[in-house]
Parts: sequence; C-alpha cells; structure tokens
Amino acid sequence: EDQVTQSPEALRLQEGESSSLNCSYTVSGLRGLFWYRQDPGKGPEFLFTLYSAGEEKEKERLKATLTKKESFLHITAPKPEDSATYLCAVRYGTASKLTFGTGTRLQVTL
Amino acid sequence: GAGVSQSPSNKVTEKGKDVELRCDPISGHTALYWYRQSLGQGLEFLIYFQGNSAPDKSGLPSDRFSAERTGGSVSTLTIQRTQQEDSAVYLCASSRGPRGSYNEQFFGPGTRLTVL
Repeated sequence: EDQVTQSPEALRLQEGESSSLNCSYTVSGLRGLFWYRQDPGKGPEFLFTLYSAGEEKEKERLKATLTKKESFLHITAPKPEDSATYLCAVRYGTASKLTFGTGTRLQVTL
Repeated sequence: GAGVSQSPSNKVTEKGKDVELRCDPISGHTALYWYRQSLGQGLEFLIYFQGNSAPDKSGLPSDRFSAERTGGSVSTLTIQRTQQEDSAVYLCASSRGPRGSYNEQFFGPGTRLTVL
C-alpha cells in the first residue's frame, strides 16, 4: 500500500541543537515531495518542494533533501520560533492530490 | 496578495443538521482542493477542482459530502445530515495549476467543525 511515514512523531530540542526529521515514502512515480509547517490552529504553510533524488533546498535554518526512498528536513541551530508540526506530503502518479504523513511535532526550548 | 480564505473559522452544529463551508482561493489559481484533518490523523484528501474539468471526487467519504465551485473561484463544501465522526478541521488549498511547480498547494486557515 502506498504510504508516507514520518519519524519521529515528536522531537524536543534545546535551542541551538541541530537535528533531522525523516519522511519515508513507498509510492510509485513520485511527482514531488512537499514539506509544510503547521502551527496550532492554523493551516499548513508551504516550505519546499523536491522533485528528484539528490535535490536539496534551503530556507533560513531549514534544509530539505531527497533520496529515492526518503526525505530529510535538517534543522540547524533551531530557535523556539521553529516549534511547530512539520508535515511531509507526496504527489505521485497521475493524481494532483497530496498524500500526507502524520507529521513530526517539534518543540524547541531555551 | 491575499491568501486562501475560509469561512466560518469555527462551526458547531447538531447531529443531523446540514453545514456549508466556504473557500475563497488565491486569485488566479485554477486548482482548488479540500482536505480534512482529524485529531491525530494526517490530512485526508476529499475533492479536487481544476478549471472547467469534472472534479476528482475520489476522496469524499460518503454521499453526504458534496462540493461545488462556482465561476472557477469560490468553492462550497456541503455536509448533509452531519454525524459526530464528521468533526474535524476542513482545509482548503489552491494552486496555480495541476502539474510541476504549479502544483505547490497553499492552504487556508481551515474551518473547525464540531458535531454535537
């Protein structure tokens, strides 16, 4: 069954403590892997799209990478304002819809 | 420019009543999507509109759910005879188009539906 799995479910970091979030996928015909940030009570905020293995994108303290089986969201020297749920989604085959993982809840403390 | 807007932000209804949720996409975006986010669940696709094409309704969970998009812009999601399991946050997204970088979907703030 096609699916998207994110790990860990929750992650607690101290300010400045770098780490990575994982998104593994088992779909055929990947057309794009998307990362979103979601704050409580708000809709997901678009971060990145990756289209092919080896591709990398960066935004401030965030860097997303893609292989043929998974994507990583690296967070370098996080700050408390990076606390949020990070969602991964894929578009595959002929569909235009996104299939989402259940997210990683990140908490960054002082 | 303005982002995706949704109304109402919160809706409390009684079991068995009908509800309508509204989505106003980003101006110029031809594709519009509805998703549902239940507590502890990932976002679940409901329906997709692209231009004047027939909508992709493959994610609608039952025939109590329907949606329309008028004039290629505003969309309304209707849930008839609501059930408690319909309680969730309903999210709308839009994109410039269906493919490639045009498929980057931008989400609204959602409507939180509570069925008592």
